[in-house]
Amino acid sequence: DTGVSQDPRHKITKRGQNVTFRCDPISEHNRLYWYRQTLGQGPEFLTYFQNEAQLEKSRLLSDRFSAERPKGSFSTLEIQRTEQGDSAMYLCASSFGTGSYEQYFGPGTRLTVT
Amino acid sequence: GQNIDQPTEMTATEGAIVQINCTYQTSGFNGLFWYQQHAGEAPTFLSYNVLDGLEEKGRFSSFLSRSKGYSYLLLKELQMKDSASYLCAVRDILSGGSYIPTFGRGTSLIVHP
Repeated sequence: DTGVSQDPRHKITKRGQNVTFRCDPISEHNRLYWYRQTLGQGPEFLTYFQNEAQLEKSRLLSDRFSAERPKGSFSTLEIQRTEQGDSAMYLCASSFGTGSYEQYFGPGTRLTVT
Repeated sequence: GQNIDQPTEMTATEGAIVQINCTYQTSGFNGLFWYQQHAGEAPTFLSYNVLDGLEEKGRFSSFLSRSKGYSYLLLKELQMKDSASYLCAVRDILSGGSYIPTFGRGTSLIVHP
């Protein structure tokens, strides 16, 4: 399967712990996006990479959140000192840099902070 | 920045036609997407409009008017499997100079037999 994959699919953690999620985009896609989605809402933009460069970061993203894409392939999203408000579905998407810029989404990582 | 507005919920009957509207305000418009999202699943791409007019793709069509900041998604011959959330997303320029799709809250469509 050559779609976008995310790991883990589910994560339950206690408040104050750190968590890290991984996203593997479609191999030829140079653009990678992280979104967060809560129930009844659309995906909320978090951050964007073009190749290995992080070009955009939402102002809503606190300094507890950090993302990397070290070799322009897979990406990681880390949340430090998790809070209950961080509970959400974290979606990764990738796209190719020309044409319609259609985004392909991964299945998401559902985070529950207790 | 941008503001994207779409109805929260709509209901329709199997076999009917439904139109889901989306209005937006952007700093630097560069395309509008419609995505479908079934409960518990990731969004999947339906359509992309960057020029004014109607784009037809099977049972689904999408319309764009850039001067009015308005789009709609038209679903024909509704099927039960069309029950899902429909997300309008606008590709807008952010502070770093990149064009990023940002999403509305979605319209939950319920199709009744």
